[in-house]
Amino acid sequence: EDKVVQSPLSLVVHEGDTVTLNCSYEVTNFRSLLWYKQEKKAPTFLFMLTSSGIEKKSGRLSSILDKKELFSILNITATQTGDSAVYLCARMDSSYKLIFGSGTRLLVRP
Amino acid sequence: DGGITQSPKYLFRKEGQNVTLSCEQNLNHDAMYWYRQDPGQGLRLIYYSQIVNDFQKGDIAEGYSVSREKKESFPLTVTSAQKNPTAFYLCASRWAEAGYTFGSGTRLTVV
Repeated sequence: EDKVVQSPLSLVVHEGDTVTLNCSYEVTNFRSLLWYKQEKKAPTFLFMLTSSGIEKKSGRLSSILDKKELFSILNITATQTGDSAVYLCARMDSSYKLIFGSGTRLLVRP
Repeated sequence: DGGITQSPKYLFRKEGQNVTLSCEQNLNHDAMYWYRQDPGQGLRLIYYSQIVNDFQKGDIAEGYSVSREKKESFPLTVTSAQKNPTAFYLCASRWAEAGYTFGSGTRLTVV
């Protein structure tokens, strides 16, 4: 089935903690895996992953893709209250459509 | 600045009414998309258009209609046939193999 599954559904941590968000997908034929951060309105782009095993980094955020095991993780180190958001994972298929997971809601407490 | 503009931000509809959500982009992107987001859910694809004068149904097209008469514009009509239209609607555009650019969304409520 054409599904993207994210875990955990929600997470509460304290500032300074490190978190790992998971995303698995069930279709082997795909183009890329994307991560977005959604606070109030529009999702904002974080990463696009196309190759397996190559970590992408942006400040305290990093992500990696495993195309053999069909999953990706998003790591956030030294979390801050501004990291509180819903993190969305999406698979881009061969026709460039995005299929989203249900998201992980992260709350970072001071 | 280039971007995607969705209007209105908030929309209230009476049952049985059709309403149209606007989406305009000045990014010169060929492809445009409409997604629906329900509370605690991810985004689900309603309709998409890869090129002017052409569009395809997404996963939840029933009760919705679109047009793509201009490259810049991709309006979504929520018809009375959509039985549960209360949701957050996001429009997006894409250029080549790049990721999507999203608008700020329209929150539709049935009253």
